[in-house]
Order: sequence, then structure tokens, then C-alpha cells
Amino acid sequence: SQKIEQNSEALNIQEGKTATLTCNYTNYSPAYLQWYRQDPGRGPVFLLLIRENEKEKRKERLKVTFDTTLKQSLFHITASQPADSATYLCALDPPEASGSARQLTFGSGTQLTVLP
Amino acid sequence: KAGVTQTPRYLIKTRGQQVTLSCSPISGHRSVSWYQQTPGQGLQFLFEYFSETQRNKGNFPGRFSGRQFSNSRSEMNVSTLELGDSALYLCASSSSTGQNFATEAFFGQGTRLTVV
Repeated sequence: SQKIEQNSEALNIQEGKTATLTCNYTNYSPAYLQWYRQDPGRGPVFLLLIRENEKEKRKERLKVTFDTTLKQSLFHITASQPADSATYLCALDPPEASGSARQLTFGSGTQLTVLP
Repeated sequence: KAGVTQTPRYLIKTRGQQVTLSCSPISGHRSVSWYQQTPGQGLQFLFEYFSETQRNKGNFPGRFSGRQFSNSRSEMNVSTLELGDSALYLCASSSSTGQNFATEAFFGQGTRLTVV
């Protein structure tokens, strides 16, 4: 079965620095990978989706890379702010064909703390 | 556009009881998925419904069931509650129609179920 691992349970960085989170997966070649942010007591919020044929995707201060050879995705937050403190989850979404289901397999998450 | 609405937000039940949780997806979204989140296991897929049909089910016992109505609203039911069922139950909707394209999932705030 698919296995998805986020290497760090917790990451502390100084405000203004770049945070880099890692997501590795095995036993699968996903067509795309997603990143979500989750604050305590709330549901995950979608951030970025990257497809297997895309090496990199950016959205404001966020950047995601996808290396299908290494089976790894990196998530970067540049110029980090204390408001970026949250748990970040990566998720695999199996490619859909007609009649197949939509489901996400999540990593365990990395709790990011940006120190002022 | 209203987001995904889950009711109730908090619930306390006794072992052996049953519980029904409700989810109203974003208007126009026909896919509704349910997830269980616990500190030990993280986010785990329960099942997904599309047009009133369950398309896939995660690795959970038969005590966990669900359904979807013609207006895409969904309910999940847990019978014979166990202490280990205490968790945050999250519902997510998406505009996925089963065709081969990727879209993000929109999560509700969740229902915090405590079994005592």
C-alpha cells in the first residue's frame, strides 16, 4: 500500500528564514501531490497541488517541488512569519479514472513554529 | 460561497452508543469524503460518496457507515462506540466528477467526538 512520510515532526525556524519541509512516498507513483495547512482544532486548508509532470510550483511565498525519481516533494515557505506557524500535511491523491474514488492519503504532518 | 459545514462541532457519547455526524458540502460539489484524525494515526480515509453512491471505503470496521443524499449532503454513523473512536471527524468536499483531473479538497471544521 502507499506510504507517505514527512521527515520532521516539528521544525522551528527564525522569522524571515526559509522553511523547508520534506515529504517522501513509497510503493506508488502518484499523478499529483497536494500540500495542506492545518491549525489546531480546524480542518486542513489546501495550499498547493503539483502534478507529476511539473517540477516546481509557486504561490506567493510558497514553493513546492516534485521529484518523481527520488519520490520526494519539498515544500518551502520563504520569508517566514509567525503567522505561518501550523502543521503542514502532504497528501497523495491517486489518479482518477471513470468510476474510481477520490481519497487522500496523508502524511503525519510537520509542525512548523516560526519564532519572532 | 459557503464552505463545508459539519454538525455538531462537539459531541460526547458513552461506550456502546451510536452517533450520526452531518456534513453539508460546498454548493455544486458532488464528492464528499470522510476522514478520522487522531494523534496516533493522523488523518485516515473513511469513505467517499459521489452522487449518493459509496465509491471507496478505507480500512475501518463495519461499525462505520455513511450515506449521501440527493442534495449531496452526507452523514456518517458509528455504531457501538468504543473509547478508541474518540477523534476529530472531518468531512471534505470536492468538485471531482471521477474524470481524470485533480482538484483540491475543501475540509469542514470537523466534529470532535469524545467517547467516555
